[in-house]
Amino acid sequence: DGGITQSPKYLFRKEGQNVTLSCEQNLNHDAMYWYRQDPGQGLRLIYYSQIVNDFQKGDIAEGYSVSREKKESFPLTVTSAQKNPTAFYLCASSSNRQTYNSPLHFGNGTRLTVT
Amino acid sequence: AQKITQTQPGMFVQEKEAVTLDCTYDTSDPSYGLFWYKQPSSGEMIFLIYQGSYDQQNATEGRYSLNFQKARKSANLVISASQLGDSAMYFCAMRGVKGKLTFGQGTILTVHP
Repeated sequence: DGGITQSPKYLFRKEGQNVTLSCEQNLNHDAMYWYRQDPGQGLRLIYYSQIVNDFQKGDIAEGYSVSREKKESFPLTVTSAQKNPTAFYLCASSSNRQTYNSPLHFGNGTRLTVT
Repeated sequence: AQKITQTQPGMFVQEKEAVTLDCTYDTSDPSYGLFWYKQPSSGEMIFLIYQGSYDQQNATEGRYSLNFQKARKSANLVISASQLGDSAMYFCAMRGVKGKLTFGQGTILTVHP
């Protein structure tokens, strides 16, 4: 079955450490996205990529970095510069780069806790 | 810039009754899409329904329908015959011509037996 895989489901890190969240899709989608969700809140866009080797900052990119070396993969690194990294992180993909009528398909998320 | 507003932090409905979840939006894009997602307590985001800005008819998907009023910039979700499994967080979202999907703050729906 095609889908988006995020791993791990739960991640614990010490403050000051960088951590990388994995996102892999086998839907052959061009566009991929990273969102952050805080408790009781909506989703906020961190980074997105519409094509391999290219990505753009979203609304809350500070303290995060990404890469898009393969179409299937879009890893997110939460750096020590991110002031409040504890959150639920959702990866998504879409079949069209800029078309407004395609829904985003989401992975099951990674819950990151930094202490 | 795109903005989505969901003014109902929480809603309650009796099982088998209908419920409307409100959503208003703002955008300068001439073309856009409106989406509703369901997020159960497990956290996954489930796509429910889509409405395009040029669609003449309101979208329907099973028990879900979207009441689209373009002039009022509203895209309310109607769930008919509510079920206990409908209890979840519901998000309204909009996607413009640049492809970014912008979410509202969400509405927590609780279905009572």
